[in-house]
Amino acid sequence: AQKITQTQPGMFVQEKEAVTLDCTYDTSDPSYGLFWYKQPSSGEMIFLIYQGSYDQQNATEGRYSLNFQKARKSANLVISASQLGDSAMYFCAMRVTNQGGKLIFGQGTELSVKP
Amino acid sequence: ETGVTQSPTHLIKTRGQQVTLRCSSQSGHNTVSWYQQALGQGPQFIFQYYREEENGRGNFPPRFSGLQFPNYSSELNVNALELDDSALYLCASSFRDTRSYGYTFGSGTRLTVV
Repeated sequence: AQKITQTQPGMFVQEKEAVTLDCTYDTSDPSYGLFWYKQPSSGEMIFLIYQGSYDQQNATEGRYSLNFQKARKSANLVISASQLGDSAMYFCAMRVTNQGGKLIFGQGTELSVKP
Repeated sequence: ETGVTQSPTHLIKTRGQQVTLRCSSQSGHNTVSWYQQALGQGPQFIFQYYREEENGRGNFPPRFSGLQFPNYSSELNVNALELDDSALYLCASSFRDTRSYGYTFGSGTRLTVV
């Protein structure tokens, strides 16, 4: 069965510091994609970064990078130089290619950035 | 290009009633998915519509149903509302392509069942 696990219910980070949010996944399918979304209190899911299972390099998008360790089935999000506006819920999600467009989400991590 | 709009933003219903939630699709997208997000949880996949037909369904009972229209907008209908249906309902549009990862989410509809 496909599953996403986020083991950190809440995290604190000092402004301008880097923070890593953990995500492990479980699937037996060789073709899948991994996503990270930010959800502020307004509710909208904001796309941050994507990693395909066959991508050779770790994905990066500005201050966001994804530490993809395929053998360990982990896809941790690294946010560099944290800003106060980064305070939000963060969700890791997986899409298995042969199951259409269904996204499987983890439980989320609430990130709080301290000034 | 327009994003995804959901309406209404908030809704209060009584147990046993029926509700219809609406979602517009982003320009250029042809697929709409619906998710239920209970308080403090991650979103759960309800179903997906492509070319006006249901194209994948999660573990939700038949009283959750939907429609997709020719302009790719969509409705989620829930009959016989239960207290546990209280949640944020998110809609996401995308372009059906096995290599695509462009999901655009709306801000959701917060449904409270009393």
